[in-house]
Amino acid sequence: GENVEQHPSTLSVQEGDSAVIKCTYSDSASNYFPWYKQELGKRPQLIIDIRSNVGEKKDQRIAVTLNKTAKHFSLHITETQPEDSAVYFCAAKGFFAGNMLTFGGGTRLMVKP
Amino acid sequence: NAGVTQTPKFQVLKTGQSMTLQCAQDMNHNSMYWYRQDPGMGLRLIYYSASEGTTDKGEVPNGYNVSRLNKREFSLRLESAAPSQTSVYFCASTPAGQANTEAFFGQGTRLTVV
Repeated sequence: GENVEQHPSTLSVQEGDSAVIKCTYSDSASNYFPWYKQELGKRPQLIIDIRSNVGEKKDQRIAVTLNKTAKHFSLHITETQPEDSAVYFCAAKGFFAGNMLTFGGGTRLMVKP
Repeated sequence: NAGVTQTPKFQVLKTGQSMTLQCAQDMNHNSMYWYRQDPGMGLRLIYYSASEGTTDKGEVPNGYNVSRLNKREFSLRLESAAPSQTSVYFCASTPAGQANTEAFFGQGTRLTVV
């Protein structure tokens, strides 16, 4: 089955700096890679996703890059703000409906004002 | 449109007790999932249901059973709770007919087994 590893497990940045979280996956058949943000005590919510037919996607201050050859993908947050503080999860999923999302272990991001 | 609804939100059980966690979605989604989240760890899949009438084991199925009651509802049962099952449980669903789309999560059930 799929195995997703995520680094770092914790990340502390100053407000305004950039943050980068990296994930690797094992199953070359995976072709959907979402990122979820989970605030304390709340449910995970999708913030951005990328499919295997593109190498980069951007939405305002967040961007995701995908390298299918190397089987890794990354989340980039620019101009970080205190409200970006949360746990971020990457995930990978295969093509077929019902193929489950496999999650990375999570990154706790702390943005210091 | 409530999305994915889980009950209860909190539960304390004694070792050996049984209980069922309920999950319902009103988005006409085909696939539903149960995850557990332990402190400082990611989400691990317990069971999933690709469509009504089917269920499959995930990464950590031992000690759990599931029922896909109908298209809307997917329940998780603990027959004999153990302290190792203390965790936050999330139900999730994904849209019908589309393999690679957003998973919507319920608000979670915080379960403590003493």
